[in-house]
Amino acid sequence: SYVLTQPPSVSVAPGKTARITCGGNNIGSKSVHWYQQKPGQAPVLVIYYDSDRPSGIPERFSGSNSGNTATLTISRVEAGDEADYYCQVWDSSSDHLVVFGGGTKLTVL
Amino acid sequence: EVQLVESGGGLVQPGGSLRLSCSASGFTFSSYAMHWVRQAPGKGLEYVSAISSNGGSTYYADSVKGRFTISRDNSKNTLYLQMSSLRAEDTAVYYCVKGGTAMPLDYWGQGTLVTVSS
Repeated sequence: SYVLTQPPSVSVAPGKTARITCGGNNIGSKSVHWYQQKPGQAPVLVIYYDSDRPSGIPERFSGSNSGNTATLTISRVEAGDEADYYCQVWDSSSDHLVVFGGGTKLTVL
Repeated sequence: EVQLVESGGGLVQPGGSLRLSCSASGFTFSSYAMHWVRQAPGKGLEYVSAISSNGGSTYYADSVKGRFTISRDNSKNTLYLQMSSLRAEDTAVYYCVKGGTAMPLDYWGQGTLVTVSS
């Protein structure tokens, strides 16, 4: 089955840039979606199809995907960005239709 | 505005059954595949089940196959998850999620907590 690997945690100072990676075998050939989940809340889609932003998501959020790594980049990080972030792909070639990464806890110092 | 409201969660004994419902509004329910995703306490997201827009195709994760049944009633804009032979490891918040096949999961409900314990 397809596996997505995320770092368990990333820390960044306010105003700096956070980069959260999502590793997978030839992930660049798949479309990657990213979700933000704040404590006690449901996940929210923040990036879809590698780099598109839903309406209402700040331009500070961006995404890229190439080779074996997809990256969620958050510029000018704010305290309100502190959350868990999950990457996700569809994998119709295996028994696991939808695959999530293990999640990354973003801490704003 | 898209709204997904889950209900039906609660405390159930191991081996018991429970039916979750998800009432949808704000979009053409019958045009979209729907999904269930769960999250055990303190853990990550786990994809559970999916159903096509007309209900003709379903998918189950190996962990729930043979025990859970997903269904939908497009006339009532409602998604269901019938859970049986529940185990302690099924304890989780269950989210109802909108999203087409091979598309992003763009709207999530607030979740309903299922606790399997004696």
